[in-house]
Amino acid sequence: EDKVVQSPLSLVVHEGDTVTLNCSYEVTNFRSLLWYKQEKKAPTFLFMLTSSGIEKKSGRLSSILDKKELFSILNITATQTGDSAIYLCAVLNSNSGYALNFGKGTSLLVTP
Amino acid sequence: DVKVTQSSRYLVKRTGEKVFLECVQDMDHENMFWYRQDPGLGLRLIYFSYDVKMKEKGDIPEGYSVSREKKERFSLILESASTNQTSMYLCASGLRGRTYNSPLHFGNGTRLTVT
Repeated sequence: EDKVVQSPLSLVVHEGDTVTLNCSYEVTNFRSLLWYKQEKKAPTFLFMLTSSGIEKKSGRLSSILDKKELFSILNITATQTGDSAIYLCAVLNSNSGYALNFGKGTSLLVTP
Repeated sequence: DVKVTQSSRYLVKRTGEKVFLECVQDMDHENMFWYRQDPGLGLRLIYFSYDVKMKEKGDIPEGYSVSREKKERFSLILESASTNQTSMYLCASGLRGRTYNSPLHFGNGTRLTVT
């Protein structure tokens, strides 16, 4: 059975801290791994990773995939209160048709 | 910009009622999905559709059915609502055959309470 495991499940940090969120997976026929940010409404897309070792970066957020060790990390530097959200990791495998398999999410709270 | 619209933001229904959750997307996407999101369980796939009149069961289809009569619209039906179906329901759409290369786009969700 395919598995996507995120850790930690929740995290509280102070503004300015750097955080690392983890996502490990066990899927057959891996295609890609995606990160989403969810505030009060719809999850919004952050990154899609298909190749190992290539960092994707957007402002203070960055992510990298390790296909050998089957995990990805999402880094947020100089956190702000607006980073408070649930961060979702999802994996696509070619067996699942076109659906994404999600982890349980990491709930991040950034305090002033 | 892709827009995925769910007809209701909040819904309260009684046990045993038939419930329709509607989702419309405006980007001509072939694939559409229904997930439910529960604390501690994350997003779980209920059903998805990759074409008009086509449907595939996800991980938790029991108690649900779907309808895709038009490409832009994907409906989730609770034939007889039960309290354990109280949840946040998220609709998503994406391009067929390129999901590995392009992300899903989500609606804002419908928070359903069954009393």
